[in-house]
Formats: sequence, structure tokens, C-alpha cells
Amino acid sequence: DAGVTQSPTHLIKTRGQHVTLRCSPISGHKSVSWYQQVLGQGPQFIFQYYEKEERGRGNFPDRFSARQFPNYSSELNVNALLLGDSALYLCASSQTSGGTDTQYFGPGTRLTVL
Amino acid sequence: GDSVTQMEGPVTLSEEAFLTINCTYTATGYPSLFWYVQYPGEGLQLLLKATKADDKGSNKGFEATYRKETTSFHLEKGSVQVSDSAVYFCAVKTGTASKLTFGTGTRLQVTL
Repeated sequence: DAGVTQSPTHLIKTRGQHVTLRCSPISGHKSVSWYQQVLGQGPQFIFQYYEKEERGRGNFPDRFSARQFPNYSSELNVNALLLGDSALYLCASSQTSGGTDTQYFGPGTRLTVL
Repeated sequence: GDSVTQMEGPVTLSEEAFLTINCTYTATGYPSLFWYVQYPGEGLQLLLKATKADDKGSNKGFEATYRKETTSFHLEKGSVQVSDSAVYFCAVKTGTASKLTFGTGTRLQVTL
């Protein structure tokens, strides 16, 4: 079975631009979460979506938004990019929302903001 | 909120040496605990997990025991290999949300 897939793999943008990152969960998984990993740090939680509804939001500004589609894939949007948004963006999927369920991560999208 | 503290790296070991990476956590309720591994240029892979006190998670020779009394989840391996060189992240999850809280990671370098 295919794991979590993310696109694109790499992305270079300039300050002030907008970016959309995409994620397809493991088949049968209904929950998708997004994390930001700055170089040398652990991942930081951005959003969780389950059954197309937002179930959790981390401490990120309103420039960050996301949505989940009927097929459970998800998009993360970031507006008005800043240099500090440069990071590896990770998507994780799980069968359900929370509890002891395990999250499986994709390979990530590396975003560079110039 | 939840927090995780990991020993700082890098940890440099010779092949076949014993490995311990310390992890302690602060969390409310009854958290689930995880170790993830990240190889260079890749995303995170689940290494092992434990969901209740005194559980031992194990995988690929790695082990960690959920110690509620000391709020710890230390990662151990009896004999490391060069291929174990990676960054290891301890993480905690509480409640009904899927939010994982990670430590800052510990880089392991294994040499011949």
C-alpha cells in the first residue's frame, strides 16, 4: 500500500507570495495533520483535519490555512510568505482522530522563501 | 500544554555500542508516547510507541518503557549499527486530538 504522499517535494518562493502544499493520506485514513519543521528543531503542529472538519490548530498566524477534501486529501495554504516560513512541511495521516492512533508521516515538502 | 525534553546531541558511538537517549515529558491525563526516526533528507518514521504505563515498545532492536512515575520514555538499543545514524525524536500525544508534541531531536552518529 502507498504511504502518505506530498507534493511538491521542493519549492522556492519569494517573500509576500502565496504557496499551496498538497497531501494524500494512506488509503482508509480519515485524519490529516500538518507540521512545520524548522531546520534543527522538532516538528511543530499546525492543523488537524478529520472528516473535512478542523479538529485542532497550533500556534500559527492566520496566514496559515488548510482544508480537507471529500477524498480525505488535504491542502495547506500559506499567504504573505515570510523568510521565517522556510521549513520542511510534513503531513501525517491516521485512521481516526486522536486517542492511541498512530500518525504516519509523508516525506515532506521543503519550502524555501527568498 | 504538553512538552518533551530530550538529551542534547550529537551522540557519537562506535558500532556495537549500547545506546541510551533520554526523554522526559510533561503532559496532562494519560498520554501516549512515541519515538520517531528521521534519516537525512527524509520525513519521520515511527520507530515504536507505548500507550499506557509500564508498556514497553520495541522495534528493530530498539526499546523504550513508559515510566509514569518518572515521566520518562528513554530509548535504548543494545548494539547500534552504522545504519542507525539518524535523528531521533521523542513525542507525546494526549486527549482525543491527533496533535503530537515533539522534543528537539537527538542526532546519533555511529562510526565503524
